[in-house]
Amino acid sequence: DTGVSQDPRHKITKRGQNVTFRCDPISEHNRLYWYRQTLGQGPEFLTYFQNEAQLEKSRLLSDRFSAERPKGSFSTLEIQRTEQGDSAMYLCASSPGTGWMNEQFFGPGTRLTVL
Amino acid sequence: ILNVEQSPQSLHVQEGDSTNFTCSFPSSNFYALHWYRWETAKSPEALFVMTLNGDEKKKGRISATLNTKEGYSYLYIKGSQPEDSATYLCAFLDSGAGSYQLTFGKGTKLSVIP
Repeated sequence: DTGVSQDPRHKITKRGQNVTFRCDPISEHNRLYWYRQTLGQGPEFLTYFQNEAQLEKSRLLSDRFSAERPKGSFSTLEIQRTEQGDSAMYLCASSPGTGWMNEQFFGPGTRLTVL
Repeated sequence: ILNVEQSPQSLHVQEGDSTNFTCSFPSSNFYALHWYRWETAKSPEALFVMTLNGDEKKKGRISATLNTKEGYSYLYIKGSQPEDSATYLCAFLDSGAGSYQLTFGKGTKLSVIP
């Protein structure tokens, strides 16, 4: 399968624990996005990478959140000291970065439940 | 804050019925409008990327229209089938968004009853 993959698909954790999610984009896609969807809402933008550079972060991304994309390939999203409000679906998307319509290809998401 | 609205929030139709739903978005700074279909436990799947006012796109039984001047897009499904059951998301791309991030509506959840 050459699509966007995310791992794990589900994560249950206790409040205060740290969690890390991984996203593997489509090969050679140089743009990578993280979105978060909470119950009853549409996906909301969190952060954006162009290759290995993190170029934009949403105000939703508190200082407990950190994202990396070493070598411009896979990306990780870490949440420290999780809170119940962090429970959500975390989606990753990649884009080839060419073509101004910028179609984004999404992974299946990681569903986080914070108890 | 960009406001992208979708209606209805949810919809139940009988197999074979045709249906449509609406996405409204800001009419200023328009760059593109995306439609996605998201089935449970799967990845959101891109349906259409629409850019030109008056544009109409079709993919099998699904079609979409775009009015950028008044800020709305319609998605039509002809002869709904159970496999069409999914959440349909529209997403607005702002010309001022340097990172090209999408602003999504809350989605329309379609259930097709056999």
